[in-house]
Amino acid sequence: DIQMTQFPSTLSASVGDRITITCRASQNIDKSLAWYQHKPGKAPKLLIYKASNLESGVPSRFSGSGSGTEFTLTISGLQPDDFATYYCQQYESYSLHTFGQGSKLEI
Amino acid sequence: EVQLVQSGAQVKKPGESLKISCKASEYSFTSHWIGWVRHVPGKGLEWVGIIFPRDSDNRYSRSFDGRVTISVDKSVNTAYLQWGSLRASDSGLYYCARHRAPRLEEAFDSWGQGTLITVSS
Repeated sequence: DIQMTQFPSTLSASVGDRITITCRASQNIDKSLAWYQHKPGKAPKLLIYKASNLESGVPSRFSGSGSGTEFTLTISGLQPDDFATYYCQQYESYSLHTFGQGSKLEI
Repeated sequence: EVQLVQSGAQVKKPGESLKISCKASEYSFTSHWIGWVRHVPGKGLEWVGIIFPRDSDNRYSRSFDGRVTISVDKSVNTAYLQWGSLRASDSGLYYCARHRAPRLEEAFDSWGQGTLITVSS
């Protein structure tokens, strides 16, 4: 199975900052990667699909990049609502789909 | 707007069986893969498995394979997750979620509200 290694597991930032979260796949997944935001008591929310495509309704301060085995999620100009846990997920067709371990973004 | 409405929280004893549901509406149920994701606080999100309602083709995470069964009832646009014999380690918040497009290699774009399962003696 494809393993996803996500880091950092925790990061501290301030409103207005720019942050980056990285996800590494154990095998080539081309661009079959999504990013989700998860807040306590709520369902996860899709932010980015196919590595760099912004889901409808998601603010443009969120962006994704990468292909193959290395991917990043960038949030430019953090807003108070952005403090949450972020997960990557690979969904290659030849593999079972897996999530990264999560990155908790704290104030 | 796509809606996924899940059944309510359950408290069970080890060894009991359980089937939870996820009713879909406002899209073509048989066209999109639908799956289950578990969240255990402190452990992150875990992909459980997915099913294609049109023909019940399915995939299971190795961690859950043999422990759970995912099924659908196309007549009522509902997906199910069931256990034959629960363990305390099955406790968690289970979400159903739909693939955003009609293909296997896709992200989940719509999610249910979650069903909390507590297994305790």
